[in-house]
Amino acid sequence: DQQVKQNSPSLSVQEGRISILNCDYTNSMFDYFLWYKKYPAEGPTFLISISSIKDKNEDGRFTVFLNKSAKHLSLHIVPSQPGDSAVYFCAASVWGSSNTGKLIFGQGTTLQVKP
Amino acid sequence: DGGITQSPKYLFRKEGQNVTLSCEQNLNHDAMYWYRQDPGQGLRLIYYSQIVNDFQKGDIAEGYSVSREKKESFPLTVTSAQKNPTAFYLCASSSSGLSRETQYFGPGTRLLVL
Repeated sequence: DQQVKQNSPSLSVQEGRISILNCDYTNSMFDYFLWYKKYPAEGPTFLISISSIKDKNEDGRFTVFLNKSAKHLSLHIVPSQPGDSAVYFCAASVWGSSNTGKLIFGQGTTLQVKP
Repeated sequence: DGGITQSPKYLFRKEGQNVTLSCEQNLNHDAMYWYRQDPGQGLRLIYYSQIVNDFQKGDIAEGYSVSREKKESFPLTVTSAQKNPTAFYLCASSSSGLSRETQYFGPGTRLLVL
């Protein structure tokens, strides 16, 4: 039962253009969402997050949008740079009675930015 | 220079052998986590600990064991009961282990079976 889904395994964009990575979730109890970037053979690096009380959060070239009614979030990278080429994971935090910070991860989307 | 260290970078396991993966953090974080990544899949939670001397099973705890005797250390043992141990193992930590916190990851250990 995949609660967080990234349906596009890969995405290729031209340098300078916009990259849009998508993520869908099924659990309405998720209230905090994060995006991580991962290079091969390295640990994921935190990129940006958004709380469910917001619908947009921006940090430099990175913007995350949250559509709670559609249970969908997206990461926009503008402009895309070759150094952005990596695997991007979205993750969701479960709000439960134990109040733990367990993260549920999507399968990842491999972004390739071509020079 | 704060961060999370994992060792070794590569680890080889023989059939029937237990191996232990090290994870150390100097971020003064209370919570620590172990994840497993398989090709084409997301990270799956093995175990987590919100405080010293306490830990909880994650989604795929079978065949693994952990200890949390010190705040900065959270070693993971892959036992012989884990039939498919080949994977990339990632350790993470967060400030208190509560919801809405960012987890920070170490560089990972790749475990291979001989």
